[in-house]
This record gives sequence, C-alpha cells and structure tokens, in this order.
Amino acid sequence: AQKITQTQPGMFVQEKEAVTLDCTYDTSDQSYGLFWYKQPSSGEMIFLIYQGSYDEQNATEGRYSLNFQKARKSANLVISASQLGDSAMYFCAMREVIKAAGNKLTFGGGTRVLVKP
Amino acid sequence: DTGVSQDPRHKITKRGQNVTFRCDPISEHNRLYWYRQTLGQGPEFLTYFQNEAQLEKSRLLSDRFSAERPKGSFSTLEIQRTEQGDSAMYLCASSPLTGGSSPLHFGNGTRLTVT
Repeated sequence: AQKITQTQPGMFVQEKEAVTLDCTYDTSDQSYGLFWYKQPSSGEMIFLIYQGSYDEQNATEGRYSLNFQKARKSANLVISASQLGDSAMYFCAMREVIKAAGNKLTFGGGTRVLVKP
Repeated sequence: DTGVSQDPRHKITKRGQNVTFRCDPISEHNRLYWYRQTLGQGPEFLTYFQNEAQLEKSRLLSDRFSAERPKGSFSTLEIQRTEQGDSAMYLCASSPLTGGSSPLHFGNGTRLTVT
C-alpha cells in the first residue's frame, strides 16, 4: 500500500519569504504521480501542482515549485514570496492505480501554514 | 465549467438517523470519488465510480454506507443508522477518464455532525 508522510504539522512563515513543505512517499510502483492541494479554512480543496515520476524536470506553477528527489522519495513543495492568502492546510497526495480501472489519490496528513504580516 | 457541487453543505442529525448526500460532478467527467475528512486530517478514500460502475470501495465503507451513481452523472452517499464517529466532512471529487496527471476536482464538501 502506498503511504504519504508529511512530518510538519504546522509552520509559520513571514510574508514575502519562501517556505518549504516536506512530503515523503512510499511506493513500489515505477509509474506514479504526486499532487499538492491547498485547503483554506473555507474547506475547498484547490489543486496546486503535479509531478509525474518520469518527469525529468521539477514542476513549477507560478509561485509554486516542486523539489522532486526520486531517489529519496520526496516531493517537497516550495512556495515563494508568501502572501497572507497562502495561510491554509497543504496536502501532498499520490496517485495510486486501482486494480479494476482508473486511479485514486492517497493523501498525507497535511501541514498547516500560517503567514505572518 | 460549474465545478463539483455538493448538497447539503451542512447536515446535523441525531444518532441512529439515516442521511443522504448528493454530488454533481463536472459534466464531462466520467470518474467520481467520495472521500471522508476528519478534523485536522487528510482526506481518506471511500469509493470510486467510473461512469455508473462502482469499481472500488474502501474498507472504511462499512455496510451502513452505500453509494450510487445510477446514470453515470450525479452520485449519492447514504449513511444508515448514523453514529457519532461518522461526524466528518464528506468530499466528492471528479476527474476526466484520460490522463494520470489529471487532478481530482473537489466540491466544497458536506459537513456531517451526528449528535
């Protein structure tokens, strides 16, 4: 079974600074995908960024980038130039193939980020 | 693209009552998922539909839980004889049939409180 571990339950970051959120994963699959989601206090899950296991370059989406280290099985999210609106829970997730068809996401426990002005 | 819609947003019920939640996925999405999220935790997978076929169910989905997607469009999740441990946010998500890189698009969830 796949497992996602986020070891940082909570973090403070100063506005305009960068923050790195840790995510390690465990899988025996050769092909997999890693996702990061943001969940503000309002509750909706917002997709941020995706990294495929065969992607040679680290994924970037605006202020979000993914530090993907395949040998270490880590996929850390970097948020640059933090804004007050970045205060939220952040979840790392891995795509797992469902034996019948399709796939599903397995989520880590999340990291709460609070951006200080 | 109107997004994934869930109804109701909040539900308070007494222990032992039955509840039903509805999810309307993004119209062109064939795949539909139900997740449960308790406070301070990540979402946990409950079940998955591809069109009208329920292809996977988690062991978390006890026999008091049933999900349907009768015409491959909207889905319902029913909990019978609710227990206090069922209190959680129930999230629905959908995705298109193709592309392993396609993210799941989540609704705003239904928050269930069992008193």
